[in-house]
Formats: sequence, C-alpha cells, structure tokens
Amino acid sequence: KQEVTQIPAALSVPEGENLVLNCSFTDSAIYNLQWFRQDPGKGLTSLLLIQSSQREQTSGRLNASLDKSSGRSTLYIAASQPGDSATYLCAVRTEGTSGSRLTFGEGTQLTVNP
Amino acid sequence: GAGVSQSPRYKVAKRGQDVALRCDPISGHVSLFWYQQALGQGPEFLTYFQNEAQLDKSGLPSDRFFAERPEGSVSTLKIQRTQQEDSAVYLCASSLARDNIQYFGAGTRLSVL
Repeated sequence: KQEVTQIPAALSVPEGENLVLNCSFTDSAIYNLQWFRQDPGKGLTSLLLIQSSQREQTSGRLNASLDKSSGRSTLYIAASQPGDSATYLCAVRTEGTSGSRLTFGEGTQLTVNP
Repeated sequence: GAGVSQSPRYKVAKRGQDVALRCDPISGHVSLFWYQQALGQGPEFLTYFQNEAQLDKSGLPSDRFFAERPEGSVSTLKIQRTQQEDSAVYLCASSLARDNIQYFGAGTRLSVL
C-alpha cells in the first residue's frame, strides 16, 4: 500500500526566504506526482505535475523535483511571500489496479511572515 | 461555471440521518473523483467514475456510503445513517481523462452531531 509522508508538518519563515518542502513515498511505481496548495476553507489548487519520466517541473517561483527511484520529491519556493501561506500537499498516482487514485501526504502548513 | 462546484458547502446532520452531497464537474471532464479529508489530514480517495461507470469504489469506508453519476456529469455522494466519524470535508475532483491534472471543488464540510 502506497504511503506518502511530508516533512516538515509546519514551517514558519520570514518573507523573502527560499524554502524547501519534502515529500517521500514508499512505492516507486508511480505514474506521476502532483503538488497542491490548499487555503483554509478552500479546495485544492494544482501547482505542478511531474510525470514519472521527468526529473523536475518549474512554474514561476516554484520548482518541483522528482527522484522516483528513491521515492522522493521536493518543492522549492523562491523568494517567499505572505501570499504563499497555505498548506502544501503532495500526492502520487501509483501504478496498478487502483491507478486512478491519488494518495496524499498530510501536508506542510507554511506561514510566511511579513 | 468554470470550475468544479460542490453543494452544499456546509451540512450539519444528526447522527443517524441520511445526507446527499452534490458535485458538478467541469463540463466535458470524463473522470470524477470523491475524496474524504479529516481535520489536519490529507484527502483520502473514496471512489472514481469514468463517465457514468464507477470503476473504483475501493476507498468507500462502509456500505453506508454510496456514489452515483447516472448521466456521466453530476455526481452525488450519499451517506446513510451518518455517524460522528463521518464528519469531514468531502472533496470532488474532475479531470479530462484519468491521467490528467485533477481539478478540485471547494468541498462540503459535513458535521455529524
């Protein structure tokens, strides 16, 4: 059974700092990995999708990397801003009979202080 | 609308009551997913539809949970005889196909008293 772990559970940084969020998964047979952002009382917003054949994806100040063989992904946020404050969730889509489902980590709650 | 729409946004139910949660996916999206998110946790998969066919219901926690998508568009998640442990946010997501990015609704927060 696929398990996804995110470290740290919570992070508080001053504005302008670069930061890294970590995600690890136990079953490396994945189709893809997604990073989401969730604001309080809101649904999930997809930030980046990395296919299993890719090593990284970039969007603006965000860069996500994937090391499939070691079961790890990182989300790098450059020059953090207060508007980046949210919970960041990592999710993987695993190969196999239940390949439709996403398995999520518990999230990293990020606070960027002005 | 342009996004996934869920209703109601909030639902308070007495223990033992039946509830129905609605999801309107993005128009043209073939795949539809339901997830359950407990407080402080990541979402957990419940069930998946491709058009009107329910292809995976392995995440439904008990036979009190039932989902349908009869015309391949709107979906309803029904919970019978609700219990306190059913309290959670229920998220719906849709995608163009199974392999594509999933777009999530804002969720329905269910509180069972």
